[in-house]
Amino acid sequence: NAGVTQTPKFQVLKTGQSMTLQCAQDMNHEYMSWYRQDPGMGLRLIHYSVGAGITDQGEVPNGYNVSRSTTEDFPLRLLSAAPSQTSVYFCASSYSTGSYEKLFFGSGTQLSVL
Amino acid sequence: DAKTTQPNSMESNEEEPVHLPCNHSTISGTDYIHWYRQLPSQGPEYVIHGLTSNVNNRMASLAIAEDRKSSTLILHRATLRDAAVYYCILRDHRGGADGLTFGKGTHLIIQP
Repeated sequence: NAGVTQTPKFQVLKTGQSMTLQCAQDMNHEYMSWYRQDPGMGLRLIHYSVGAGITDQGEVPNGYNVSRSTTEDFPLRLLSAAPSQTSVYFCASSYSTGSYEKLFFGSGTQLSVL
Repeated sequence: DAKTTQPNSMESNEEEPVHLPCNHSTISGTDYIHWYRQLPSQGPEYVIHGLTSNVNNRMASLAIAEDRKSSTLILHRATLRDAAVYYCILRDHRGGADGLTFGKGTHLIIQP
């Protein structure tokens, strides 16, 4: 199993450009989420999904959109990139949202907005 | 989720045991204690979790105080590969879609 796959690994954008960060999991997990990690900080939740067709906002959702049309995929869209969105982005998934569940993380996408 | 307190950094020697402490004095009776670690330039990785009893797996052991207000992650024989940031996280009984609340964790340095 590949687990959680994120693409691309690195991306440089100019302010105002749009792009989509891809996340796919092959574990048939219902729950998927996106985090961002700024230098020296812990991860902060952007958006999450508890199943296909269901998404909701996390702690820092502004400037990001998500959709979940399939169980496997959970793309994160930046509509108009800003320098404040320079960060490392991690996608994570788990079988359910139970408090005993462990999350599986992707290897991250490093995004720079100039 | 209730808050946890960890030391900013710890240092240990290779092939020695490492005890990483975590205080969680406001833990509720049904909060699970989770530990994750993040190796350099990688995503977080699950290590272990427990509720009341001590837990062991192939990576580590988790020792939970009787009053559950603190816990300790034990790496029995540290290797250079164990150098990482270790996060102690509480997940309440509602579990939830709000995922995990990450603090700054403990930066573990392993000396050869």
